[in-house]
Amino acid sequence: GAGVSQSPSNKVTEKGKDVELRCDPISGHTALYWYRQRLGQGLEFLIYFQGNSAPDKSGLPSDRFSAERTGESVSTLTIQRTQQEDSAVYLCASSFGQGSGNTIYFGEGSWLTVV
Amino acid sequence: GENVGLHLPTLSVQEGDNSIINCAYSNSASDYFIWYKQESGKGPQFIIDIRSNMDKRQGQRVTVLLNKTVKHLSLQIAATQPGDSAVYFCAEKINDMRFGAGTRLTVKP
Repeated sequence: GAGVSQSPSNKVTEKGKDVELRCDPISGHTALYWYRQRLGQGLEFLIYFQGNSAPDKSGLPSDRFSAERTGESVSTLTIQRTQQEDSAVYLCASSFGQGSGNTIYFGEGSWLTVV
Repeated sequence: GENVGLHLPTLSVQEGDNSIINCAYSNSASDYFIWYKQESGKGPQFIIDIRSNMDKRQGQRVTVLLNKTVKHLSLQIAATQPGDSAVYFCAEKINDMRFGAGTRLTVKP
């Protein structure tokens, strides 16, 4: 597609439920990133995929968070047993490669509210 | 751990004035830096980038300066307009990309 596409754009879920957030990167982009942004705060790195290499999961805050990517296309971020503290916008970004100089483009985010 | 941070959380300028947003980084291995603009309710938008082998790069109304000696990055916006009002983030990249906390720029008409 023309840009990074994320779905759903908004999600309200009850505490304790599982949620899945989807990211469609720009076609041909091998690198894909997930970030979390709480209201009024900066971007918190979660996970990074590069091609078929093992993902960098160092930013995942707990074992309730996981992410998968099918080849070099769609990625899904899953949050199990959601907590109110998980309420945030989850941003996905992609780039052509992992090297410096590859511009990274963001989607509009998935706004998650846990009630 | 090493991170990217910002000196000022908020900045208010008059329309038409120049704006300067600052950023400090501590990872000396970083070789690529990016500035993003984020408007309310939207994802970050790429503004300008710079590699570590440069100390200045200019775009349309924006200039990024890199001082590797003091590990400092700045974004200059010329003739600031109301549409420039947003939160600005700097980021450093080696493999993944790490962001600072952001500076909110408000442009007064």
